[in-house]
Amino acid sequence: DQQVKQNSPSLSVQEGRISILNCDYTNSMFDYFLWYKKYPAEGPTFLISISSIKDKNEDGRFTVFLNKSAKHLSLHIVPSQPGDSAVYFCAAKRDGGTSYGKLTFGQGTILTVHP
Amino acid sequence: KAGVTQTPRYLIKTRGQQVTLSCSPISGHRSVSWYQQTPGQGLQFLFEYFSETQRNKGNFPGRFSGRQFSNSRSEMNVSTLELGDSALYLCASSLDSPRGSGNTIYFGEGSWLTVV
Repeated sequence: DQQVKQNSPSLSVQEGRISILNCDYTNSMFDYFLWYKKYPAEGPTFLISISSIKDKNEDGRFTVFLNKSAKHLSLHIVPSQPGDSAVYFCAAKRDGGTSYGKLTFGQGTILTVHP
Repeated sequence: KAGVTQTPRYLIKTRGQQVTLSCSPISGHRSVSWYQQTPGQGLQFLFEYFSETQRNKGNFPGRFSGRQFSNSRSEMNVSTLELGDSALYLCASSLDSPRGSGNTIYFGEGSWLTVV
């Protein structure tokens, strides 16, 4: 049962344009969402997060949007840079309760930014 | 501020052996969790420790175990290694505050285990 899904295995974008990575979830108990960037054989690097009480969170070039009714979130990267090329993972958890350290991950999306 | 530190970074073991991986969380972080990444299964939660107690557990066999020490450092152990245990094992830590950004989970670089 894939509770967090990233339906696009890969995305190719030109440098300077916008990258939009999508994520869907099915578990309505999830109320805190995180995006990570990852290179092979390395640990995920935290990018940005959003709580379900918000619908948008910005940090520099990264913006995450949450549509709670559709159980959908997206990560926007503007402008995209070649250094952004990596695998991006969406993750979800319960905010509070007893599941502090338990993340459920999507399958990841490979982003390639072409110069 | 130092990040999550994992040792060793790379190791090769033989089927049937056991392995212990170590993790030092970010200073002040009391929650430590472990994940396994494989090409076929992606990133999967193994277990989480808080105050030396296992608080959550994923769907892994009993061969996978862990513990946390009073200084929040953690170890995980895999006994009777199988070829399918070859994976990147990731440790993560968080502040474990009830709400909001204290919930952000930070990962170490991982320990790459190859079972031959």
